[in-house]
Amino acid sequence: GAGVSQTPSNKVTEKGKYVELRCDPISGHTALYWYRQSLGQGPEFLIYFQGTGAADDSGLPNDRFFAVRPEGSVSTLKIQRTERGDSAVYLCASSPASNTEAFFGQGTRLTVV
Amino acid sequence: GENVEQHPSTLSVQEGDSAVIKCTYSDSASNYFPWYKQELGKRPQLIIDIRSNVGEKKDQRIAVTLNKTAKHFSLHITETQPEDSAVYFCAASSGYSTLTFGKGTMLLVSP
Repeated sequence: GAGVSQTPSNKVTEKGKYVELRCDPISGHTALYWYRQSLGQGPEFLIYFQGTGAADDSGLPNDRFFAVRPEGSVSTLKIQRTERGDSAVYLCASSPASNTEAFFGQGTRLTVV
Repeated sequence: GENVEQHPSTLSVQEGDSAVIKCTYSDSASNYFPWYKQELGKRPQLIIDIRSNVGEKKDQRIAVTLNKTAKHFSLHITETQPEDSAVYFCAASSGYSTLTFGKGTMLLVSP
């Protein structure tokens, strides 16, 4: 079937605005991860869902960041009061279970101006 | 939490040479070690992975070795080709933690 899909592929927003980034995981994958990748860096963990619940949100940098996965499939990463330092590629990945191969989406490139 | 260190940050080789990238991890509970290849502007893609119950795994020109005692693992690419040029990331996880990535190695294979 289809791979992990992320929308939008690119998002430019003004400082202080609210943004939502969407992730459609591979069908049947119970584990879903959000990562943030800055230029020249490895993916930095943000949050991990097992089903509908956030099993680990220790990577969220502050309370401006929030993510949901209400039905255990699609997930939305929400960023309030965006700052220029939030600019990065936000990657979503899913896997059939934790501790197994994670399949990445193409990412959303967020630019805060 | 887990900390993964990766070296070198850049690696230049001639076509046909071998390339080796090394990673160390800190959490002795980690038991899953994947390697991802990321081409410019594209998503990371898994190229090989290893679990802690084996010491080595091969897939054609690619091999990964794991030393649990020393907490390090390495990626070996033989007979490198220009299309191997990309950024390579190692990662580690356990049943209790998510994937923690290294900072990446930019591999450049010159014809």
